[in-house]
Amino acid sequence: NAGVTQTPKFQVLKTGQSMTLQCAQDMNHNSMYWYRQDPGMGLRLIYYSASEGTTDKGEVPNGYNVSRLNKREFSLRLESAAPSQTSVYFCASSDGWGQGWGEQYFGPGTRLTVT
Amino acid sequence: DQQVKQNSPSLSVQEGRISILNCDYTNSMFDYFLWYKKYPAEGPTFLISISSIKDKNEDGRFTVFLNKSAKHLSLHIVPSQPGDSAVYFCAASPTFGNEKLTFGTGTRLTIIP
Repeated sequence: NAGVTQTPKFQVLKTGQSMTLQCAQDMNHNSMYWYRQDPGMGLRLIYYSASEGTTDKGEVPNGYNVSRLNKREFSLRLESAAPSQTSVYFCASSDGWGQGWGEQYFGPGTRLTVT
Repeated sequence: DQQVKQNSPSLSVQEGRISILNCDYTNSMFDYFLWYKKYPAEGPTFLISISSIKDKNEDGRFTVFLNKSAKHLSLHIVPSQPGDSAVYFCAASPTFGNEKLTFGTGTRLTIIP
């Protein structure tokens, strides 16, 4: 049981390049999330998916797109990277209603630098 | 506009003593509150939560207190251990069933042996 996995762990991009951050969970959770963490800002929600086939914007969605590929996988795409997107990105999942409501399980993060 | 605030960026506590981490919020719609712990190079892990219908919740060495009228919550760790050294985030969610969490900026807790 790996929990939430993210690839890659580290990435350096040049301004204007594109990339996709991958996330998968093996806990059969309905909900999945993408956050970014910046110094002094805490974690901010980029996008989330309450169930397979649905996605919704969070607090800071500009410059990002997401795909909920199936129940297990939720990817985050940067179409044209900007230095302001330099951050640590975390994927998370949760069970929603029922046991452990609100408790989100996080992946180890992807450290992205845009030069 | 920071709706969840942790005004102390860092805190140092002697091993064995009590650690008290504070969190204030401004949105009166928040109804459910959580604390997460984060070690370097790892994702945050859930620690403890509290619903607005309670004013206290305990789990072993960890107790969370909620004062709704003051829009304030605190996390008490007793006794503090070296392994508690980490960054602690409080988070809040509006009415039950909404999974969108708003996080505070975090407090780095250092336990001094």
